[in-house]
Amino acid sequence: DQQVKQNSPSLSVQEGRISILNCDYTNSMFDYFLWYKKYPAEGPTFLISISSIKDKNEDGRFTVFLNKSAKHLSLHIVPSQPGDSAVYFCAARPATSGTYKYIFGTGTRLKVLA
Amino acid sequence: DAGVIQSPRHEVTEMGQEVTLRCKPISGHDYLFWYRQTMMRGLELLIYFNNNVPIDDSGMPEDRFSAKMPNASFSTLKIQPSEPRDSAVYFCASSLAGGRNQPQHFGDGTRLSIL
Repeated sequence: DQQVKQNSPSLSVQEGRISILNCDYTNSMFDYFLWYKKYPAEGPTFLISISSIKDKNEDGRFTVFLNKSAKHLSLHIVPSQPGDSAVYFCAARPATSGTYKYIFGTGTRLKVLA
Repeated sequence: DAGVIQSPRHEVTEMGQEVTLRCKPISGHDYLFWYRQTMMRGLELLIYFNNNVPIDDSGMPEDRFSAKMPNASFSTLKIQPSEPRDSAVYFCASSLAGGRNQPQHFGDGTRLSIL
């Protein structure tokens, strides 16, 4: 039973347009959410995060939105660039006291077309 | 600064053999994590350590899997005996203490194939 779901395995977007990657979760006890980006043959790298007390966090071209009532997280990339082509993982952390455990989704492969 | 270093990068072995994956975390990081990535389940946390002590091993799939961290700069994940369903990419990650919001830094993984 996946607690963190990325229902779109792949997404293609034209360069310069907005990319929207979605993530749904089932556990209302998650208190921190992250997005990681992964290139082939490399490990995931941290991209952006958001605490459950916020609904938006922005870092340059990347914005993460959190809708707690819908248990939905999204990552917006504007404008999209060919170098953004990668697999994107969302992750969530349970609010259990002291835990450093993340639960990851299965990833969405983004292809930005030049 | 050197990142998380994993070895080997690729491992191909026959079913029943012992497999040992190695990880050197970033110097000064207090937490070390072992993950397994498969197409079906994505990235799954197997076990994590704090200051060389295992904290949560609830993700370790079976007794065939074991992990150790004998010192702050080295950890191993061992599978004995290995089975074809263990084929996956195994990642090691590390993070600083000083707050649960510290991001985890990943190595480039070990691609394991069990024939």
